[in-house]
Amino acid sequence: EVQLVESGGGLVQPGRSLRLSCAASGFTFDDYAMHWVRQAPGKGLEWVSGISWNSGSIDYADSVKGRFTISRDNAKNSLYLQMNSLRAEDTAFYYCAKIGASRQYNYWFDPWGQGTLVTVSS
Amino acid sequence: DIQMTQSPSSLSASVGDRVTITCRASQGITNYLAWYQQKPGKVPKLLIYAASTLQSGVPSRFSGSGSGTDFTLTISSLQPEDVATYYCQKYNSAPGPAFGGGTKVEIK
Repeated sequence: EVQLVESGGGLVQPGRSLRLSCAASGFTFDDYAMHWVRQAPGKGLEWVSGISWNSGSIDYADSVKGRFTISRDNAKNSLYLQMNSLRAEDTAFYYCAKIGASRQYNYWFDPWGQGTLVTVSS
Repeated sequence: DIQMTQSPSSLSASVGDRVTITCRASQGITNYLAWYQQKPGKVPKLLIYAASTLQSGVPSRFSGSGSGTDFTLTISSLQPEDVATYYCQKYNSAPGPAFGGGTKVEIK
């Protein structure tokens, strides 16, 4: 069974940093692109960032470009999101999501992790 | 950037009703469209990909259609367990995936 478990969320002051992790199991991690998607409480879904299976392709939403960095460690079956210069508008549940087909990059997401809540507030 | 617009933003229907949700892309995306269901307090779940391919395990009352810019998600007979917010998502075009604003489905 595919499992994605996010961690690292919490309360952080504006301007500070936070690093999210996503531990993957149940599939061949280095065959699949991975993405981060966020959802502000009570709001819709917003794609944040994606990384290909070999880290050769990386993209960011304009709203986080220059502040967030996605990375992965295939040896550890783990995905990361380094979030710097956090703003109140970054407050959201952050989900890691596996791409639905191997060796694809910008595709549908299946499955999603349970999410980790990031709250940016003073 | 391609924008995804869903309508309606919410709807209320009776058990057994046929429900249709529309998703429109600002530019043609062939059939690169997925639909997700997010039940209250839960994680989004893939229902349909490639505009009309039902994900394994999804009830057959769900169906998707469309290509180019106009897409629909249909629930042929609404059930109480279908109460959720439904999102469309375009993929396979730069700069990245994009979601519609969501459609909240409630039981009348």
